[in-house]
Amino acid sequence: DGGITQSPKYLFRKEGQNVTLSCEQNLNHDAMYWYRQDPGQGLRLIYYSQIVNDFQKGDIAEGYSVSREKKESFPLTVTSAQKNPTAFYLCASSIRVDSPLHFGNGTRLTVT
Amino acid sequence: EDKVVQSPLSLVVHEGDTVTLNCSYEVTNFRSLLWYKQEKKAPTFLFMLTSSGIEKKSGRLSSILDKKELFSILNITATQTGDSAIYLCAVFYNNDMRFGAGTRLTVKP
Repeated sequence: DGGITQSPKYLFRKEGQNVTLSCEQNLNHDAMYWYRQDPGQGLRLIYYSQIVNDFQKGDIAEGYSVSREKKESFPLTVTSAQKNPTAFYLCASSIRVDSPLHFGNGTRLTVT
Repeated sequence: EDKVVQSPLSLVVHEGDTVTLNCSYEVTNFRSLLWYKQEKKAPTFLFMLTSSGIEKKSGRLSSILDKKELFSILNITATQTGDSAIYLCAVFYNNDMRFGAGTRLTVKP
């Protein structure tokens, strides 16, 4: 079955540590996205990539970094520079930028 | 500033009720409006609307777009407990997509 796999489901880290969230898709989609979801704020775009080896900052990119070395993979690193990293992170992909998004099941990150 | 506003933010109804969720937007170069349902984790796609006045329907759910008044509604008739979820509206404009804060719907037995 085609889909998007995010891992891990839950992640706990100490302040000051970088952490990488995995996102893999086998849908052969060109575009991939990372969103952050906080209660009452909907989804906010962190980074997106329309093609391999290219990515763009979203609305809240500060303190995050990404790479897109393969079409299937779009890992997100939450760095120690991110002031409030505890959140639910959703990865998504789409055939094209203007197509409906397919979402993974998310990673809940807790930083203490 | 471009924005997408959903209302109400939360809603509690009983099984069998009909609900109407609203999504209004102010963006430049509107291209499409999408509705998603998020039950626990992954939002799932419901509808994509690009033209005014054309209703999209799937079972008990339907949605319509008004590009003159800049809003969309999502209707759910004969609600069931399985309809309990967060309903997200997203607007695609230029090459950007912006989500509203979502409406949390709770359907009580």
